[in-house]
Amino acid sequence: RKEVEQDPGPFNVPEGATVAFNCTYSNSASQSFFWYRQDCRKEPKLLMSVYSSGNEDGRFTAQLNRASQYISLLIRDSKLSDSATYLCVVNPQTGTASKLTFGTGTRLQVTL
Amino acid sequence: DTGVSQNPRHKITKRGQNVTFRCDPISEHNRLYWYRQTLGQGPEFLTYFQNEAQLEKSRLLSDRFSAERPKGSFSTLEIQRTEQGDSAMYLCASSPQGLWGNTIYFGEGSWLTVV
Repeated sequence: RKEVEQDPGPFNVPEGATVAFNCTYSNSASQSFFWYRQDCRKEPKLLMSVYSSGNEDGRFTAQLNRASQYISLLIRDSKLSDSATYLCVVNPQTGTASKLTFGTGTRLQVTL
Repeated sequence: DTGVSQNPRHKITKRGQNVTFRCDPISEHNRLYWYRQTLGQGPEFLTYFQNEAQLEKSRLLSDRFSAERPKGSFSTLEIQRTEQGDSAMYLCASSPQGLWGNTIYFGEGSWLTVV
């Protein structure tokens, strides 16, 4: 079983739609969780951290379910500029950022 | 620009040749990471430095790969006797130490093509 699993997509949605991505992780001791965004042939960039209580940043909402070892990202009112690959990232260790484990990414294509 | 800097950005090399990539982290960051990313995959951890000490190495880092960070500032990643399977984007990242230092910031990557 992969440490971090994501549906690779692609998810093709019209502009203005709401889209949700899910991710599961295998290490129950994992401590930190993130969503990164990666544009084609570019480096990954931090989109948002994921907190146990859930957190929101504008149109983006992230949630964590530790019992089910499941992370989600919700994008509301999709924009063309949201088209990218969204990487689910888990840090299995405490107090350090070493060995962030990335999922394969979920590709989103927002269309007119 | 005070972000993570990598060079060269692109390298095409013949199989069997050696290549070296350089990474300059964000200046106040004492942690530096190397990842590798192939098409359709997420980045995979290769190795990690805290200051000049290499604290962790992945099993992916075969004996043909070596990374150094001699003065705790910039780092180099050398691949000896390159193979076609080494073709990938090599990403360097850095982060500060501390309780809240568990987000890492990537450079733009160095693309390697082995022909």
